[in-house]
Amino acid sequence: DTGVSQDPRHKITKRGQNVTFRCDPISEHNRLYWYRQTLGQGPEFLTYFQNEAQLEKSRLLSDRFSAERPKGSFSTLEIQRTEQGDSAMYLCASSWGGGVYEQYFGPGTRLTVT
Amino acid sequence: DQQVKQNSPSLSVQEGRISILNCDYTNSMFDYFLWYKKYPAEGPTFLISISSIKDKNEDGRFTVFLNKSAKHLSLHIVPSQPGDSAVYFCAASYRQGGSEKLVFGKGTKLTVNP
Repeated sequence: DTGVSQDPRHKITKRGQNVTFRCDPISEHNRLYWYRQTLGQGPEFLTYFQNEAQLEKSRLLSDRFSAERPKGSFSTLEIQRTEQGDSAMYLCASSWGGGVYEQYFGPGTRLTVT
Repeated sequence: DQQVKQNSPSLSVQEGRISILNCDYTNSMFDYFLWYKKYPAEGPTFLISISSIKDKNEDGRFTVFLNKSAKHLSLHIVPSQPGDSAVYFCAASYRQGGSEKLVFGKGTKLTVNP
């Protein structure tokens, strides 16, 4: 399977704990995106990488959130000192770029903060 | 403010009939529009897209129409099948700083009845 993969699929954590999610994009895609989706809403943009460079961050991405893509391949999204409001589906997407706008999504990581 | 609006939270149609899903946008800077389909516990799946320089794009049973003057697009599914039952998201590409991030609507839940 050469689609976008995310790990873990589900994460339950207690408020105040740190969590880290991983995304492996489609191998030939150089652009990688993180989105967050809450119940009844569409996905909301968080941040975007082109290769290893983080080119844009949403104002939704507070200083408790950090994302990396160290070698331009997989990416991690870390949330420090989790809050109940962080409970959501975290989606990763990748695209070829270069004028191709279609983004391909992974299955998401469902985070529940208790 | 909601830049991409899907005003119908749900739609129910009979198998074999046409499904029409609507989407309105407010930002005239959007230059590419996409439709995604989402099943429960899965990430969004890319369905079809259209550039702002076109007014129609067709792919099998799926056709997207764009009316730029009205800032309106629609997705037509003909004929509808029970397997089309899912949540459909309209998304727009917003080329600011070359990020090509997607802005999503809240989705429309389509139910196709056998």
